[in-house]
Amino acid sequence: EAGVVQSPRYKIIEKKQPVAFWCNPISGHNTLYWYLQNLGQGPELLIRYENEEAVDDSQLPKDRFSAERLKGVDSTLKIQPAELGDSAVYLCASSFHYEQYFGPGTRLTVT
Amino acid sequence: AQSVTQLDSQVPVFEEAPVELRCNYSSSVSVYLFWYVQYPNQGLQLLLKYLSGSTLVKGINGFEAEFNKSQTSFHLRKPSVHISDTAEYFCAVSEAETSGSRLTFGEGTQLTVNP
Repeated sequence: EAGVVQSPRYKIIEKKQPVAFWCNPISGHNTLYWYLQNLGQGPELLIRYENEEAVDDSQLPKDRFSAERLKGVDSTLKIQPAELGDSAVYLCASSFHYEQYFGPGTRLTVT
Repeated sequence: AQSVTQLDSQVPVFEEAPVELRCNYSSSVSVYLFWYVQYPNQGLQLLLKYLSGSTLVKGINGFEAEFNKSQTSFHLRKPSVHISDTAEYFCAVSEAETSGSRLTFGEGTQLTVNP
């Protein structure tokens, strides 16, 4: 069974540029999560989807971050414009019940 | 709301020695508990989980953890570590009986196994 797929794995951009991350969850998993992991810290939830609906986005900085999950499968997380402080690893996870399975993450570096 | 405290940021041990990584949590509701491992430049892999039942849970790679409700702890143990166990370990909680609820993570413990 294929795991959670994320792309790109690494991204380097200049500040004020836009960037997008893509996630394909495990087949059949209705719940999809985006987490932010700063260096030396544990992941923190940005947004959670139940099928197409964003049900927990209280931690998403909506002035510059947006996300979508069209058709309840793949998801895209976008930052526009990026700031230096956005440099981090962006992790996608999916779950069917209580266990969350994580992708390898996208490491973003903003210069 | 929940919070997780991992009491040691770094734990160095020698190969074949036992190890314990400590985790305490705080929550106003019942929680499920998890330990994840993260190798460099990789995502998180589930080691073990406690949902209900026996308070001693066994996971992959020879790890086990014990849920102590009175002390609100969920410490991770391994009787004999290998070089390959060197990684970052995260303790996490989620709201019990709420399918799909967010994970709240601790800050992580870097386990370094030396020869």
